[in-house]
Amino acid sequence: ETGVTQTPRHLVMGMTNKKSLKCEQHLGHNAMYWYKQSAKKPLELMFVYNFKEQTENNSVPSRFSPECPNSSHLFLHLHTLQPEDSALYLCASSQDPTSAGELFFGEGSRLTVL
Amino acid sequence: GQNIDQPTEMTATEGAIVQINCTYQTSGFNGLFWYQQHAGEAPTFLSYNVLDGLEEKGRFSSFLSRSKGYSYLLLKELQMKDSASYLCAVKDSNYQLIWGAGTKLIIKP
Repeated sequence: ETGVTQTPRHLVMGMTNKKSLKCEQHLGHNAMYWYKQSAKKPLELMFVYNFKEQTENNSVPSRFSPECPNSSHLFLHLHTLQPEDSALYLCASSQDPTSAGELFFGEGSRLTVL
Repeated sequence: GQNIDQPTEMTATEGAIVQINCTYQTSGFNGLFWYQQHAGEAPTFLSYNVLDGLEEKGRFSSFLSRSKGYSYLLLKELQMKDSASYLCAVKDSNYQLIWGAGTKLIIKP
């Protein structure tokens, strides 16, 4: 496999469920990101990990909990979500957050909270 | 605050040329990116500008004027497959990417 892969592609959950999104990158990058994409809104950065260390947490509610066990894998653990959390969640990777290099995105996990 | 503005939607005809504008106000500047995103797919990198001027890459070109806080993406010889959203993003002084809301481009035959 190449690039950035995300699973699951689609997820429907109730407000009391617990689920996780998974991201894996095969590019040898050091930085990984979670973004939230809602219709007609700019991409919202949620978390950044650089060399497995969290370097950004953009005031994300605690019902979203990231985990980065190594520089190739990133998880987003979800619990007690709200309907307004329904969105496309994109994972991305790059060589270094401070470099000019572009982000490589996964295809996203479409989340619906009922 | 930091802000990126781009048109919400544009329509163009197959074979024609279209220019998508992006204006920005950010705390510092460390480069401007354009990404393409087809419906239901991942955004993919198109271009990067850090110096003023035009960067050409096949049918796509991107222009930057740092003094005006302005960029555009020029698409020539439009094809139906160019129907997508085009995202403009700027890296600020902290190397954080500030994103526009995207421009949905509709190509008509």
